[in-house]
Amino acid sequence: DTEVTQTPKHLVMGMTNKKSLKCEQHMGHRAMYWYKQKAKKPPELMFVYSYEKLSINESVPSRFSPECPNSSLLNLHLHALQPEDSALYLCASSQERGEWKATNEKLFFGSGTQLSVL
Amino acid sequence: DAKTTQPPSMDCAEGRAANLPCNHSTISGNEYVYWYRQIHSQGPQYIIHGLKNNETNEMASLIITEDRKSSTLILPHATLRDTAVYYCIVRVATSGTYKYIFGTGTRLKVLA
Repeated sequence: DTEVTQTPKHLVMGMTNKKSLKCEQHMGHRAMYWYKQKAKKPPELMFVYSYEKLSINESVPSRFSPECPNSSLLNLHLHALQPEDSALYLCASSQERGEWKATNEKLFFGSGTQLSVL
Repeated sequence: DAKTTQPPSMDCAEGRAANLPCNHSTISGNEYVYWYRQIHSQGPQYIIHGLKNNETNEMASLIITEDRKSSTLILPHATLRDTAVYYCIVRVATSGTYKYIFGTGTRLKVLA
């Protein structure tokens, strides 16, 4: 199983709603990532979890709240979003075997959640 | 963090080699260069990566200059299905993990 599964594929929400994006992998990977991608732009890193601990937060607004309940799951909780937060949200994972085995690390991406905030 | 710059778009005739350049002049000695591609709005797909030496796999070749300030992705015989946005990425070690920083991307159009 080399898949990263994201649900839902599409989400429409109002600015007062609370919703969650989900990401799951069963490859035994220990690092998981959230990226945000606006139309015709490259993905931008939001968060990195390593061994279930938040390692990197790229100054993301608090209306985005990540959670890593276990090594296979990654959630992104959304609250009070703005229309400019509409984007494709991508989840990725990597093995993260440690620096000395880093030669063949790579990211595996899910197909994303297309989010529209009205 | 190292940054990459890529031409915004390129065309290539079907069956010919597609050579996609990337500049990463601020890359550090232990930072890898990765290439991914993205078709429509799907998740990016891994192509190849390298540190110093040239690399080849079943999809592509990666040529890295000796000073490591630039690289070229080569698709040896482009097909229509290779039409996509190609991203040059630098992997940076930080905070006990890695950041994969995307470049601006090159939109490759393969022409019949």
